[in-house]
Amino acid sequence: EVQLVESGGGLVQPGRSLKLSCAASGFTFSDYYMAWVRQAPTKGLEWVASISYDGGSTYYRDSVKGRFTISRDNAKSSLYLQMDSLRSEDTATYYCTTGITTGGDYFDYWGQGVMVTVSS
Amino acid sequence: DIQMTQSPASLSASLGETVTIECLASEDIYSNLAWYQQKPGKSPQLLIYDASSLQDGVPSRFSGSESGTQYSLEINSLQSEDAATYFCQQHHDYPPTFGSGTKLEIK
Repeated sequence: EVQLVESGGGLVQPGRSLKLSCAASGFTFSDYYMAWVRQAPTKGLEWVASISYDGGSTYYRDSVKGRFTISRDNAKSSLYLQMDSLRSEDTATYYCTTGITTGGDYFDYWGQGVMVTVSS
Repeated sequence: DIQMTQSPASLSASLGETVTIECLASEDIYSNLAWYQQKPGKSPQLLIYDASSLQDGVPSRFSGSESGTQYSLEINSLQSEDAATYFCQQHHDYPPTFGSGTKLEIK
């Protein structure tokens, strides 16, 4: 059974940093693109970043470029999102997902999500 | 970025009925369209990818179709467990973009 378990969320002040982690199991982690998708409270879904099988390629939405860094450790079957210079508009539930790439990605497995609140 | 215009924002239907949700892409996405179902307090679940391919385990009453840049999700024989919000998403190019969602209520 595929499992994606996020951790590392919480309340953080604007301008500070936070690092999310995602522990994956039940599949061969290195066979999948991975991605983070977020959802602001009562809002829709928004793709944040994706990373290729070996981490050699990364992709970001414009609003997080230069502030967020996606990375992975295939030996540990883990995905990460380092979030720096956080803004109030980054407040959301962040989902770890597996990605199937076709030019863009679609997302076939999702974690339960972790809440990030950016507020003073 | 490719814009996905989803309609309606909400709809209400009775058990056993058929409903259709639509998404219009701002440019050709060559059938690279996925549909997700999200129940309250839960993570989204993939229903359909490549416009009409059913994800494993998804009931056959869900189906996807396309006409040009217009994509549709049809749900036949509505069940109570189909009450949820549905999102479309283009996977043709980066950044992947989602529609705004359709909230389906079962009467």
